[in-house]
Amino acid sequence: NAGVTQTPKFRVLKTGQSMTLLCAQDMNHEYMYWYRQDPGMGLRLIHYSVGEGTTAKGEVPDGYNVSRLKKQNFLLGLESAAPSQTSVYFCASSSGTGRYNEQFFGPGTRLTVL
Amino acid sequence: AQSVTQLGSHVSVSEGALVLLRCNYSSSVPPYLFWYVQYPNQGLQLLLKYTSAATLVKGINGFEAEFKKSETSFHLTKPSAHMSDAAEYFCAVSDNSGYSTLTFGKGTMLLVSP
Repeated sequence: NAGVTQTPKFRVLKTGQSMTLLCAQDMNHEYMYWYRQDPGMGLRLIHYSVGEGTTAKGEVPDGYNVSRLKKQNFLLGLESAAPSQTSVYFCASSSGTGRYNEQFFGPGTRLTVL
Repeated sequence: AQSVTQLGSHVSVSEGALVLLRCNYSSSVPPYLFWYVQYPNQGLQLLLKYTSAATLVKGINGFEAEFKKSETSFHLTKPSAHMSDAAEYFCAVSDNSGYSTLTFGKGTMLLVSP
């Protein structure tokens, strides 16, 4: 049981390049989330999904797109990377309904945009 | 809207001393509150959560937190710090969307000296 995994672990992009971050979970969770973590800012929600084929915007969605074609996978895309998107990105998943459900986090992807 | 304030971006203690990390919340609905820990270069791990069952919540690694509605607080404590407790700690509040989305505080880095 691997939990939540993220690919890649590190990536360096040039301004204007595109990339996709992959998140996979093997816990059969309904809900999945993408966060970014910046120093002194805590974690901020980018997008989330409450089931296969659904996505919703979080607090900081601009410049990102997401897709949830399979229940176990949640993809985060950057169409035209900007230096402001340099950050550590975390994916998380949760079992479903209930505000008390904990989120399980992946190990993160460190992205640098030059 | 929900929000969380963590007082002190850094807290330093000596090994064996009391650990106190402060968290105050704002919520328009009865809150569900969480403490997560992040060790260097890792994802977040749940320490404990408050779901209204009991005001004093015990978590892993000897940590506990007390929910005080009158003070809108959920401070994290540990009687005796260990070197392995050095990490960043995040307080979070669940929103009222029903999708288990979380609003995080900015984090408190706990430094433990010998």
